[in-house]
Amino acid sequence: DVKVTQSSRYLVKRTGEKVFLECVQDMDHENMFWYRQDPGLGLRLIYFSYDVKMKEKGDIPEGYSVSREKKERFSLILESASTNQTSMYLCASSPLAGGRDTQYFGPGTRLTVL
Amino acid sequence: AQKITQTQPGMFVQEKEAVTLDCTYDTSDPSYGLFWYKQPSSGEMIFLIYQGSYDQQNATEGRYSLNFQKARKSANLVISASQLGDSAMYFCAMRDPGNQFYFGTGTSLTVIP
Repeated sequence: DVKVTQSSRYLVKRTGEKVFLECVQDMDHENMFWYRQDPGLGLRLIYFSYDVKMKEKGDIPEGYSVSREKKERFSLILESASTNQTSMYLCASSPLAGGRDTQYFGPGTRLTVL
Repeated sequence: AQKITQTQPGMFVQEKEAVTLDCTYDTSDPSYGLFWYKQPSSGEMIFLIYQGSYDQQNATEGRYSLNFQKARKSANLVISASQLGDSAMYFCAMRDPGNQFYFGTGTSLTVIP
Protein backbone atom coordinates (compact mmCIF):
# COMPACT_ATOMS: atom_id res chain seq x y z
CA ASP A 1 0.00 0.00 0.00
CA VAL A 2 1.37 3.38 -0.98
CA LYS A 3 2.24 5.70 1.81
CA VAL A 4 3.13 9.31 2.49
CA THR A 5 3.84 10.12 6.10
CA GLN A 6 4.26 13.45 7.82
CA SER A 7 6.20 13.87 11.04
CA SER A 8 3.40 15.41 13.09
CA ARG A 9 -0.40 15.65 12.89
CA TYR A 10 -0.52 18.65 15.21
CA LEU A 11 2.19 21.15 16.05
CA VAL A 12 2.21 24.27 18.22
CA LYS A 13 5.11 26.71 17.91
CA ARG A 14 5.92 30.22 19.04
CA THR A 15 6.49 33.23 16.84
CA GLY A 16 10.08 33.39 15.68
CA GLU A 17 10.83 29.70 16.13
CA LYS A 18 12.39 27.68 13.32
CA VAL A 19 9.98 24.92 12.33
CA PHE A 20 10.69 21.74 10.40
CA LEU A 21 7.93 19.72 8.76
CA GLU A 22 9.08 16.36 7.46
CA CYS A 23 7.52 14.26 4.73
CA VAL A 24 8.53 10.76 3.69
CA GLN A 25 7.16 8.66 0.83
CA ASP A 26 7.81 5.01 0.16
CA MET A 27 6.76 4.85 -3.49
CA ASP A 28 10.04 5.91 -5.12
CA HIS A 29 8.29 8.95 -6.60
CA GLU A 30 10.32 11.63 -8.27
CA ASN A 31 7.96 14.52 -7.55
CA MET A 32 7.16 15.83 -4.11
CA PHE A 33 5.04 18.81 -3.11
CA TRP A 34 4.23 20.98 -0.13
CA TYR A 35 0.84 22.67 0.01
CA ARG A 36 -0.82 24.95 2.46
CA GLN A 37 -4.59 24.63 2.94
CA ASP A 38 -6.72 27.44 4.33
CA PRO A 39 -10.53 27.68 4.43
CA GLY A 40 -11.93 29.24 1.28
CA LEU A 41 -8.54 29.24 -0.45
CA GLY A 42 -8.14 25.59 -1.32
CA LEU A 43 -4.65 24.12 -1.62
CA ARG A 44 -1.87 26.50 -2.51
CA LEU A 45 1.50 25.22 -3.64
CA ILE A 46 4.46 26.36 -1.57
CA TYR A 47 7.30 24.41 -3.19
CA PHE A 48 7.77 21.30 -5.25
CA SER A 49 10.72 19.12 -6.11
CA TYR A 50 11.15 16.87 -9.13
CA ASP A 51 14.46 15.34 -8.08
CA VAL A 52 16.93 15.17 -5.25
CA LYS A 53 18.38 18.59 -4.47
CA MET A 54 16.05 20.20 -7.03
CA LYS A 55 13.29 22.57 -6.01
CA GLU A 56 10.89 24.97 -7.65
CA LYS A 57 8.91 27.77 -6.06
CA GLY A 58 5.17 27.47 -6.08
CA ASP A 59 2.59 30.19 -5.64
CA ILE A 60 3.40 31.19 -2.05
CA PRO A 61 7.07 30.47 -1.22
CA GLU A 62 7.67 33.56 0.91
CA GLY A 63 8.67 32.67 4.46
CA TYR A 64 9.36 29.04 3.56
CA SER A 65 12.28 26.98 2.34
CA VAL A 66 12.63 23.30 1.48
CA SER A 67 15.23 20.59 1.49
CA ARG A 68 15.41 17.35 -0.45
CA GLU A 69 18.62 15.48 0.29
CA LYS A 70 17.14 12.02 -0.34
CA LYS A 71 14.55 10.96 -2.86
CA GLU A 72 12.05 9.79 -0.26
CA ARG A 73 12.22 12.82 2.03
CA PHE A 74 11.05 16.39 1.45
CA SER A 75 11.27 18.87 4.30
CA LEU A 76 9.49 22.19 4.66
CA ILE A 77 11.22 24.79 6.81
CA LEU A 78 9.72 27.89 8.34
CA GLU A 79 12.80 29.96 9.10
CA SER A 80 11.04 32.25 11.57
CA ALA A 81 7.45 31.22 12.20
CA SER A 82 4.78 33.88 12.18
CA THR A 83 1.12 33.77 13.20
CA ASN A 84 -0.01 34.06 9.58
CA GLN A 85 1.64 30.72 8.92
CA THR A 86 -0.91 28.99 11.13
CA SER A 87 -2.47 26.53 8.70
CA MET A 88 -2.84 22.94 7.54
CA TYR A 89 0.21 21.73 5.63
CA LEU A 90 -0.14 18.86 3.20
CA CYS A 91 2.69 16.93 1.59
CA ALA A 92 2.16 14.93 -1.59
CA SER A 93 4.16 12.86 -4.02
CA SER A 94 3.63 11.69 -7.58
CA PRO A 95 5.58 9.73 -10.17
CA LEU A 96 7.41 11.52 -12.96
CA ALA A 97 5.45 9.91 -15.75
CA GLY A 98 2.12 11.56 -15.07
CA GLY A 99 -0.70 10.02 -17.06
CA ARG A 100 -3.34 8.51 -14.84
CA ASP A 101 -1.08 8.70 -11.80
CA THR A 102 -2.48 10.93 -9.13
CA GLN A 103 -0.76 12.70 -6.30
CA TYR A 104 -0.66 10.77 -3.05
CA PHE A 105 -1.14 12.85 0.05
CA GLY A 106 0.07 12.59 3.59
CA PRO A 107 -2.35 13.01 6.51
CA GLY A 108 -1.45 16.68 6.97
CA THR A 109 0.12 18.72 9.76
CA ARG A 110 -2.01 21.30 11.49
CA LEU A 111 0.42 23.99 12.60
CA THR A 112 -0.50 26.67 15.11
CA VAL A 113 1.88 29.56 15.64
CA LEU A 114 1.26 31.51 18.83
CA ALA B 1 -4.28 33.57 -12.88
CA GLN B 2 -6.64 31.05 -11.37
CA LYS B 3 -6.54 27.83 -13.33
CA ILE B 4 -9.29 25.91 -11.54
CA THR B 5 -12.63 27.44 -10.57
CA GLN B 6 -15.17 25.84 -8.28
CA THR B 7 -18.10 28.21 -7.93
CA GLN B 8 -20.08 26.31 -5.31
CA PRO B 9 -18.68 26.86 -1.80
CA GLY B 10 -21.39 24.65 -0.31
CA MET B 11 -23.94 22.16 -1.59
CA PHE B 12 -26.70 20.12 0.00
CA VAL B 13 -28.17 16.91 -1.38
CA GLN B 14 -30.79 14.49 -0.13
CA GLU B 15 -29.58 10.99 0.60
CA LYS B 16 -29.95 8.66 -2.42
CA GLU B 17 -30.18 11.59 -4.84
CA ALA B 18 -27.55 12.52 -7.43
CA VAL B 19 -25.49 15.71 -7.16
CA THR B 20 -23.21 17.58 -9.57
CA LEU B 21 -20.20 19.53 -8.37
CA ASP B 22 -18.98 22.10 -10.87
CA CYS B 23 -15.42 22.66 -12.02
CA THR B 24 -14.02 24.76 -14.84
CA TYR B 25 -10.38 25.01 -15.78
CA ASP B 26 -8.14 27.24 -17.81
CA THR B 27 -5.17 26.06 -19.83
CA SER B 28 -3.67 26.46 -23.27
CA ASP B 29 -1.78 23.16 -23.09
CA PRO B 30 -3.30 20.39 -25.22
CA SER B 31 -2.15 17.74 -22.74
CA TYR B 32 -3.40 17.85 -19.17
CA GLY B 33 -5.06 15.72 -16.54
CA LEU B 34 -8.10 16.46 -14.43
CA PHE B 35 -8.64 14.99 -10.97
CA TRP B 36 -11.22 15.04 -8.23
CA TYR B 37 -10.38 14.49 -4.57
CA LYS B 38 -12.52 14.04 -1.49
CA GLN B 39 -11.44 15.40 1.88
CA PRO B 40 -13.51 14.20 4.84
CA SER B 41 -13.35 15.94 8.19
CA SER B 42 -10.39 13.72 9.12
CA GLY B 43 -8.30 15.76 6.67
CA GLU B 44 -6.98 13.01 4.40
CA MET B 45 -7.15 13.67 0.65
CA ILE B 46 -8.73 10.77 -1.21
CA PHE B 47 -8.36 10.43 -4.96
CA LEU B 48 -11.72 9.80 -6.65
CA ILE B 49 -11.45 10.00 -10.42
CA TYR B 50 -9.19 11.02 -13.31
CA GLN B 51 -9.86 12.33 -16.83
CA GLY B 52 -7.13 12.80 -19.42
CA SER B 53 -7.43 15.60 -21.94
CA TYR B 54 -7.30 13.13 -24.83
CA ASP B 55 -9.77 10.68 -23.34
CA GLN B 56 -12.81 10.37 -25.56
CA GLN B 57 -15.11 8.90 -22.97
CA ASN B 58 -16.17 10.39 -19.66
CA ALA B 59 -14.44 8.71 -16.73
CA THR B 60 -16.46 6.64 -14.29
CA GLU B 61 -15.48 5.05 -10.99
CA GLY B 62 -18.35 3.36 -9.20
CA ARG B 63 -20.82 6.05 -8.12
CA TYR B 64 -18.53 8.81 -9.41
CA SER B 65 -18.51 10.05 -12.97
CA LEU B 66 -16.81 12.99 -14.56
CA ASN B 67 -18.79 15.05 -17.07
CA PHE B 68 -15.96 16.23 -19.33
CA GLN B 69 -16.85 19.00 -21.78
CA LYS B 70 -13.56 19.91 -23.37
CA ALA B 71 -14.75 22.82 -25.49
CA ARG B 72 -16.28 24.45 -22.43
CA LYS B 73 -13.27 23.53 -20.27
CA SER B 74 -15.58 21.94 -17.79
CA ALA B 75 -15.01 18.84 -15.63
CA ASN B 76 -17.98 18.40 -13.35
CA LEU B 77 -18.15 15.57 -10.83
CA VAL B 78 -21.41 13.65 -10.62
CA ILE B 79 -22.08 11.56 -7.52
CA SER B 80 -25.01 9.20 -7.92
CA ALA B 81 -27.09 7.76 -5.09
CA SER B 82 -25.56 10.00 -2.41
CA GLN B 83 -24.71 8.47 0.93
CA LEU B 84 -24.19 10.10 4.31
CA GLY B 85 -20.51 9.22 4.07
CA ASP B 86 -20.21 11.42 0.99
CA SER B 87 -20.39 14.51 3.19
CA ALA B 88 -16.95 16.10 2.75
CA MET B 89 -14.97 18.77 0.91
CA TYR B 90 -14.41 18.04 -2.76
CA PHE B 91 -11.53 19.48 -4.74
CA CYS B 92 -11.05 19.63 -8.47
CA ALA B 93 -7.45 19.71 -9.70
CA MET B 94 -5.56 19.93 -12.97
CA ARG B 95 -2.09 18.61 -13.74
CA ASP B 96 -0.08 20.46 -16.38
CA PRO B 97 2.59 18.90 -18.65
CA GLY B 98 5.23 19.82 -16.07
CA ASN B 99 3.48 17.63 -13.47
CA GLN B 100 2.44 20.62 -11.42
CA PHE B 101 -1.03 20.42 -9.90
CA TYR B 102 -3.51 23.29 -9.53
CA PHE B 103 -6.41 23.01 -7.12
CA GLY B 104 -9.75 24.77 -6.87
CA THR B 105 -11.06 26.28 -3.65
CA GLY B 106 -13.29 23.29 -2.99
CA THR B 107 -16.98 22.54 -2.51
CA SER B 108 -18.37 21.44 0.83
CA LEU B 109 -21.02 18.77 0.27
CA THR B 110 -23.55 17.90 2.94
CA VAL B 111 -25.78 14.86 2.49
CA ILE B 112 -29.10 15.19 4.30
CA PRO B 113 -30.79 12.04 5.65
